[in-house]
Amino acid sequence: QQQVKQSPQSLIVQKGGISIINCAYENTAFDYFPWYQQFPGKGPALLIAIRPDVSEKKEGRFTISFNKSAKQFSLHIMDSQPGDSATYFCAASGKGSGSARQLTFGSGTQLTVLP
Amino acid sequence: ETGVTQSPTHLIKTRGQQVTLRCSSQSGHNTVSWYQQALGQGPQFIFQYYREEENGRGNFPPRFSGLQFPNYSSELNVNALELNDSALYLCASSRPTGTGNTIYFGEGSWLTVV
Repeated sequence: QQQVKQSPQSLIVQKGGISIINCAYENTAFDYFPWYQQFPGKGPALLIAIRPDVSEKKEGRFTISFNKSAKQFSLHIMDSQPGDSATYFCAASGKGSGSARQLTFGSGTQLTVLP
Repeated sequence: ETGVTQSPTHLIKTRGQQVTLRCSSQSGHNTVSWYQQALGQGPQFIFQYYREEENGRGNFPPRFSGLQFPNYSSELNVNALELNDSALYLCASSRPTGTGNTIYFGEGSWLTVV
């Protein structure tokens, strides 16, 4: 019930194209959905996040679409650039044991943007 | 730059040994969490500390323990190291629990157990 499923595992896009990564969750107690970008040898860096009372959030070239009824959310990267090549993780946050808020991560998508 | 610093960046330990990893949280953040990220996988929640007390734990055995100090810095201790403890250990800091609070990660400590 705590799992977040992410697809695809890997994605290759031409420069200027749109990259789309999808995630699905089961636990309806999740109430915060961030996306993280991770470069090799680095820690995850927050890209953009959304709450379930909003269906879409856009920041620059990055957009999250959220479908509460389907329990799905996705990341769209417009005008993809070679510098966007990284691993992307979706995550969901809710209260776990005790009073802690913990992130449950998807398995990651390795994005390659070809020049 | 997230303001979360971790040390050491890399270390190699032998099976059965003990290891201590350290983390300094972002200024003003009094909640620290630790995550384990195995190669090719997403981070897994180990535990969280708030006001020097553990206030949440993931599915990790008791040989994973931690501390938080009055200045909000934190330590992760792992006893009786096993080969599958080899991973990137990430520290994350945030303000007190609440919906949508941003969680910032450090660069991590790479642990190799041989």
